[in-house]
Amino acid sequence: DGGITQSPKYLFRKEGQNVTLSCEQNLNHDAMYWYRQDPGQGLRLIYYSQIVNDFQKGDIAEGYSVSREKKESFPLTVTSAQKNPTAFYLCASSPAGGGSGGYTFGSGTRLTVV
Amino acid sequence: SQKIEQNSEALNIQEGKTATLTCNYTNYSPAYLQWYRQDPGRGPVFLLLIRENEKEKRKERLKVTFDTTLKQSLFHITASQPADSATYLCAAEGTGGFKTIFGAGTRLFVKA
Repeated sequence: DGGITQSPKYLFRKEGQNVTLSCEQNLNHDAMYWYRQDPGQGLRLIYYSQIVNDFQKGDIAEGYSVSREKKESFPLTVTSAQKNPTAFYLCASSPAGGGSGGYTFGSGTRLTVV
Repeated sequence: SQKIEQNSEALNIQEGKTATLTCNYTNYSPAYLQWYRQDPGRGPVFLLLIRENEKEKRKERLKVTFDTTLKQSLFHITASQPADSATYLCAAEGTGGFKTIFGAGTRLFVKA
């Protein structure tokens, strides 16, 4: 079955530590996205990528970094510069610019600072 | 700023009734509105999309409307079932893609 796989499901970060969240898709989608979800708030866009080796900042990119070396993969690194990283992180993909057909989401990674 | 607003209060209804969820948008003229279902601890699942030139869209027990005058979309689930209990997210996107705005969602509880 085609879909998006995020790992790990749960992640714990110590102060000052960088952590990387994995996102892999086998849908042959060109565009991939990272969203952050906090209680009582809508999903907020962190980064998105339209094609391999290209990505753009979203609304809350500070403290995060991404790469897109392969079409299938779009990992997100939460750096020590992100002061409030505890949240639910969602990776998504779409065939092209998302609106016309909706997004396919992964099952999420819950990151907690300890 | 552009905003998508959904009722933050949970909606409780009896099995078999029609559930109606509201999505209002401000300072925005979206080309598409999307609706997703999200279960606890899971990613959203795409349900329906409606374009600005469409008044209504149906899929099985689901119906979505788009009123550009009221700046509002309504999401209906007819003959609701306990399995429909979830959070439903509304999302709006302009032409060109890539910058979709999501609402915070409305929690639906369907009681047997």
